Amino acid sequence: SQQGEEDPQALSIQEGENATMNCSYKTSINNLQWYRQNSGRGLVHLILIRSNEREKHSGRLRVTLDTSKKSSSLLITASRAADTASYFCATDAGGAAGNKLTFGGGTRVLVKP
Amino acid sequence: NAGVMQNPRHLVRRRGQEARLRCSPMKGHSHVYWYRQLPEEGLKFMVYLQKENIIDESGMPKERFSAEFPKEGPSILRIQQVVRGDSAAYFCASSPPEQGPVEQFFGPGTRLTVL
Repeated sequence: SQQGEEDPQALSIQEGENATMNCSYKTSINNLQWYRQNSGRGLVHLILIRSNEREKHSGRLRVTLDTSKKSSSLLITASRAADTASYFCATDAGGAAGNKLTFGGGTRVLVKP
Repeated sequence: NAGVMQNPRHLVRRRGQEARLRCSPMKGHSHVYWYRQLPEEGLKFMVYLQKENIIDESGMPKERFSAEFPKEGPSILRIQQVVRGDSAAYFCASSPPEQGPVEQFFGPGTRLTVL
């Protein structure tokens, strides 16, 4: 199985509700990043959390990282229809090979107005 | 400061033809990454380049695929003798030369369709 697997694969919520998605990975990491992708578009960077950090906030986004469990979560509070997108976690193992990212399969989020 | 530019945005090729995908990184960025995304899947790393050097090509198929990032001009991902399985979205990302964790900035992608 691949590094960085998101759960659930799909999520449907009402506007105003919170959306939580999880990411698990297998190997040691330097940092973990979350990206958003709207249908047919490129990726937009949301948050980068380093391996020595446990929680990070950015606006309505909250990311946690538990390196002992090799897992991360992304919480979107007070969701809006515009949050409808696919969300991907990506791990960066660092090291001599640079910052190549290993992506999970994504969580497809639908926010209904 | 323009973002990462990719062209063409859409490319249609017949089996056996060559596909050339171009990527211009953000100004000041010297690191370029290429990723491939199949429908309904996440992105898969292909190759990491710095100016005139391939640093890591562990994700790139050994045959038919090549990449370059010349001293002048965009990075090029070249696929020779394309097959239907090459149909995918190809994304380029760039990052600045700083050490340590940095954000990668992604381009809009090139959607390759092989007929």
